[in-house]
Amino acid sequence: RKEVEQDPGPFNVPEGATVAFNCTYSNSASQSFFWYRQDCRKEPKLLMSVYSSGNEDGRFTAQLNRASQYISLLIRDSKLSDSATYLCVVSIIGGYNKLIFGAGTRLAVHP
Amino acid sequence: AAGVIQSPRHLIKEKRETATLKCYPIPRHDTVYWYQQGPGQDPQFLISFYEKMQSDKGSIPDRFSAQQFSDYHSELNMSSLELGDSALYFCASRSPGGGRGGNEQFFGPGTRLTVL
Repeated sequence: RKEVEQDPGPFNVPEGATVAFNCTYSNSASQSFFWYRQDCRKEPKLLMSVYSSGNEDGRFTAQLNRASQYISLLIRDSKLSDSATYLCVVSIIGGYNKLIFGAGTRLAVHP
Repeated sequence: AAGVIQSPRHLIKEKRETATLKCYPIPRHDTVYWYQQGPGQDPQFLISFYEKMQSDKGSIPDRFSAQQFSDYHSELNMSSLELGDSALYFCASRSPGGGRGGNEQFFGPGTRLTVL
């Protein structure tokens, strides 16, 4: 079982839709949480860090539930340019901050 | 803003050859991480360096070695290449404070290694 599990996807949604991605992590020592996006054959790009209080950046909202070890990402008003793979990522206390990635969820936004 | 630089961007090698991948972190970033991403897979941590010392080691084969130099750039040396080493190799760097998220890492464009 992977340390970080994500919805398998792919998610195919029309422009303007709201889409939610879920992620769970198994190591309770996880201390930092992120969503990265990755376009095909490109590097992962930091989308946003995720805080216990929840945080929002424009159309993107991330939530963290430490008790349930659950992370979510909500994308509102989807754009064609949002099409990518979204990676749920954690790092662990004492792990020298190496990142542990989920398998990613592919999003395809169509006109 | 300056980003992580990796070279070369593409590399084609034969089995049993050696390869050297280079990474130049964002200025003033003191920690470098190497990740390997095979086809259809998520990135896997290989090794990291903090202030020129190895800080952590992941699933890196004994055939691979790496180091960080005084200017903070890092090199990943790969010997006796195998077909299974074909992958994207990413370098990421982290600032001393880790950013607001505590551990924000920024990735370079990667080196695509193909072993024939």
